[in-house]
Amino acid sequence: EAQLVQSGAEVKKSGESLKISCKDSGYSFDSHWIGWVRQMPGKGLEYMGIIYPGDSDTRYSPSFQGQVTISADKSISTVYLQWSSLKASDTAMYYCARQIAVVIEKTAGYAFDVWGQGTMVTVSS
Amino acid sequence: SSELTQDPAVSVALGQTITITCQGDTLRSFYASWYQHKPGQAPLLVVYAKNNRPSGIPDRFSGSRSGNTASLTITGAQAEDEADYYCNSRDTSHNHWVFGGGTKVTVL
Repeated sequence: EAQLVQSGAEVKKSGESLKISCKDSGYSFDSHWIGWVRQMPGKGLEYMGIIYPGDSDTRYSPSFQGQVTISADKSISTVYLQWSSLKASDTAMYYCARQIAVVIEKTAGYAFDVWGQGTMVTVSS
Repeated sequence: SSELTQDPAVSVALGQTITITCQGDTLRSFYASWYQHKPGQAPLLVVYAKNNRPSGIPDRFSGSRSGNTASLTITGAQAEDEADYYCNSRDTSHNHWVFGGGTKVTVL
């Protein structure tokens, strides 16, 4: 059974760097895209970006381009989300999720079918 | 357009049927997926593509699409269905994905 396991909660200060991880267990890691999703306190889900671990092809939401870096190490089945200089506004829960794609009646549909448990990042100013 | 619009909150009586909608131009080109999100838990995929349910999702959850609107229907809502529900789809103008703002479902 596919499972994504994320690294633990982090408490950091503004200006510090951070790298959180998402490790696959149980499926062919480098044959699915893996996305990152943010949920700020009291707010909705926000798509951040996505990576194909097989070749590290990465796409960012315009809202997060230049703000974070998504990377992967397929040798250890792990995807990362990193910040070079955290801000208080980065305080949020971060989820990784596996993406699947289907085509039905010539129309494509995508879904995030397996999710990590989430990593809470708290940044103090 | 890169926006998906959902009603912020809806309520349903126990055992009754509720339909949550998600509107956006991108839904004319791509199917939506739907997620149930409860406090303290990771989001859970409940419906995707035309009307596909992952293994383990009750058949009271169903999906449909018409024009620029995707819908999630819960037929015979249960107390455990109380949660936030989000739609998601691919954006047509950029190579990325977008979530709707979410709908808080209350089961009375």
